[in-house]
Amino acid sequence: EDKVVQSPLSLVVHEGDTVTLNCSYEVTNFRSLLWYKQEKKAPTFLFMLTSSGIEKKSGRLSSILDKKELFSILNITATQTGDSAIYLCAVSNDYKLSFGAGTTVTVRA
Amino acid sequence: NAGVMQNPRHLVRRRGQEARLRCSPMKGHSHVYWYRQLPEEGLKFMVYLQKENIIDESGMPKERFSAEFPKEGPSILRIQQVVRGDSAAYFCASSPRSPNFYGYTFGSGTRLTVV
Repeated sequence: EDKVVQSPLSLVVHEGDTVTLNCSYEVTNFRSLLWYKQEKKAPTFLFMLTSSGIEKKSGRLSSILDKKELFSILNITATQTGDSAIYLCAVSNDYKLSFGAGTTVTVRA
Repeated sequence: NAGVMQNPRHLVRRRGQEARLRCSPMKGHSHVYWYRQLPEEGLKFMVYLQKENIIDESGMPKERFSAEFPKEGPSILRIQQVVRGDSAAYFCASSPRSPNFYGYTFGSGTRLTVV
């Protein structure tokens, strides 16, 4: 069975801090790794990674994939209270996503 | 473009009743996926449907759960004789084709509470 493990499960930081979220996986027929942000509603897409070593950036968020070691990290720099959310990592094989349990990030003013 | 529409947003059912969850995919999307999120857990794949076809229902519980995506109208996830353990958030996603995760858009979910 496909396995996606995220760590830490939760963390609390202050505005301006940098956070690093981890995602490790064991799946058959890997196609891509995706990161989503969930704030009490629909998960919203952040990144899709398919190649090792290529960093994807969007504003203060960035992510990288290591296909040899089977993990990915998501970095958020200069955190703001609006970054408070659950961050979900998912791995796709064909049409199906296998999700980790998520990391709850709380940013305090 | 209204996005993926799910209704109702919240649904309360007594044990033994039926729950019907509806999902209207984005315009132009013909592939629908249902996921379930139990408290403190990640989303779990349930079923993948195209119009009038069930492609993969490997994540569906063997009993009481069924899904359909008719030629006209929304996709329906039906849970018969609900039990407390069915309480969860049910998310629907759609895509224009499969696999295409850039176009894989989630709805806001239906939160089912069984009392």
